[in-house]
Parts: sequence; structure tokens; C-alpha cells
Amino acid sequence: EPEVTQTPSHQVTQMGQEVILRCVPISNHLYFYWYRQILGQKVEFLVSFYNNEISEKSEIFDDQFSVERPDGSNFTLKIRSTKLEDSAMYFCASSAERGEETQYFGPGTRLLVL
Amino acid sequence: AQTVTQSQPEMSVQEAETVTLSCTYDTSENNYYLFWYKQPPSRQMILVIRQEAYKQQNATENRFSVNFQKAAKSFSLKISDSQLGDTAMYFCAFITDSNYQLIWGAGTKLIIKP
Repeated sequence: EPEVTQTPSHQVTQMGQEVILRCVPISNHLYFYWYRQILGQKVEFLVSFYNNEISEKSEIFDDQFSVERPDGSNFTLKIRSTKLEDSAMYFCASSAERGEETQYFGPGTRLLVL
Repeated sequence: AQTVTQSQPEMSVQEAETVTLSCTYDTSENNYYLFWYKQPPSRQMILVIRQEAYKQQNATENRFSVNFQKAAKSFSLKISDSQLGDTAMYFCAFITDSNYQLIWGAGTKLIIKP
């Protein structure tokens, strides 16, 4: 069964450093998403991406964040200058269509900013 | 505002018992889709079941079923014959046709005791 994959599974970085989180969505899916979950808190939407552009983003997704689909398979989230409060689990998801279609999640990347 | 409320932070039942997790939501949209996701200790987000709001029939997936009450905006999850592997956080979420993001509840921690 096709699945979303994410790398790395864990990332430790120093405050102020740039990190890139990588995702390979399900191959025939067209919509891609990033969510984050700070430990013990709700899952929060960051951004959705379709047709090589951002379709929706939350207030969390400020200028420190960017997304890219550099080739036909990868979907990346870049945090330009990490802060302590960026420590969280970051989930990538993909869906075949918007709205009605189920979003399938990757296993997540656990980011720790020191 | 669109919100999801899960009023039970934690529940605990014996193996083989039936357990019901509650969820209420709020949206002014008429067309939306509801989901239950499971997050085991590995923290991966796994789809359990989905329900289309336009369908009156409650969704069922093996031991998992929902009680969808559209007028009351209630979407509870019933787990029958609970198993130790059902121990996890369970999140209720929904998405509407007019946006891209899943709206999440705070989760219910379910513990299945041997």
C-alpha cells in the first residue's frame, strides 16, 4: 500500500540554524500539507500546497517557513532560523483531492531545537 | 470559528470491553468530512475511520464504528472488543469543502488494560 514517507525521523539542531524536513507524498496525490504537533498539544495546520504554489497557510507559517517541491517526488519544509519554540513533531500529509479526500500522514519528523 | 471538542482527556478500559470516545464540532458549513485518527506511542498519525456529512449511515470499519449526529454536531467513535494495540491518542478532526486544513480536537488518551 502506498504511503507517505518523511526524513529524517529525528533532527536535533541549534537555535538559529536552518533545517529542511523532507517528505515524499503518495505518488498520485496532488495536494500536500505540513502540520505540526508540539508535545502535549493539538495538531496545528501550517500550510497546504497545490500545483506548485501555496494554497493556504496559517498564522504560524511566517517568513521563517517555506515549502518547495524541488522535483516530481519530494516536498520540503524549510525553517530558516529555528527557535526553541519550533521544537515539535512535524507531519507531512497528502491527498488526492482537496476537502473530501482523506489526508494520509507520514510518520513525522521529531525536531528538537536546543 | 471552526472547532473540535473532545471532552475526555483520558479513558481506560479492560481488554475486550467496548469504549466510546466523544467528539463535538462546530462549523457553519453544510458539506464537510469527519475523521478519527489514532496516534500510538510511535506518534505516527493513522486514519481510523471517516464519515461524509451528507451520508446518514454511520461509517463502520471492522471493530470501529461511529455515531454521527449531524444536528447535534456530534461524532463519537465506538471501539468494540478493544485490544491492547488500541492503546493510543485518538484525535477527532474535520475538513470542509471551502478550505484545505484539517481542524483538530485536543485528543483522548485511551489506555487498554490487560
